[in-house]
Amino acid sequence: SQTIHQWPATLVQPVGSPLSLECTVEGTSNPNLYWYRQAAGRGLQLLFYSVGIGQISSEVPQNLSASRPQDRQFILSSKKLLLSDSGFYLCAWKRGGNTIYFGEGSWLTVV
Amino acid sequence: AQSVTQPDIHITVSEGASLELRCNYSYGATPYLFWYVQSPGQGLQLLLKYFSGDTLVQGIKGFEAEFKRSQSSFNLRKPSVHWSDAAEYYCAVGGGGSQGNLIFGKGTKLSVKP
Repeated sequence: SQTIHQWPATLVQPVGSPLSLECTVEGTSNPNLYWYRQAAGRGLQLLFYSVGIGQISSEVPQNLSASRPQDRQFILSSKKLLLSDSGFYLCAWKRGGNTIYFGEGSWLTVV
Repeated sequence: AQSVTQPDIHITVSEGASLELRCNYSYGATPYLFWYVQSPGQGLQLLLKYFSGDTLVQGIKGFEAEFKRSQSSFNLRKPSVHWSDAAEYYCAVGGGGSQGNLIFGKGTKLSVKP
């Protein structure tokens, strides 16, 4: 069966520091991969999605970037964090069909 | 524009009572519809989905939802709520395709009174 792993689960970072959140999917190949952010009172916002290695689409302009160095690996990064980057980040995947499955999320607090 | 509206931000029901969470969508094509549940500090778990066919779909944990095209709605129901159902519930719509992105509502927080 397919599983998705996301880490770290919790992160506290100072303003201006870099960020790297990592996500891997097991048990499938060539999945679509997604990064969503959940900020308080704002629901879920799609940040990036990828349909293949090295293919990244950005949904909103922001201080973040994403990369897909391997088929089942998706990384969310920032060179310099802002206070407004705080939130709950969710990685998700889809392989065929129309259903997206989510990881457990990563809490980011920028202080 | 594609959108999902969950009119109720917060609902409180007594344990054992019935539940209905509302969801309305705006989508240009035939939508794929989903309900997810999120417990505090956790990721999203898929409750159920509708793609086509029978408009009443059954999901996990005793939940069901009914697709009503004429009302652009996909309301979630449960006949008898358990304390463990307290969580945030998200309705989402997607059109499939190569991207398969979902558009989410802002969620409804469910509290359950003993």
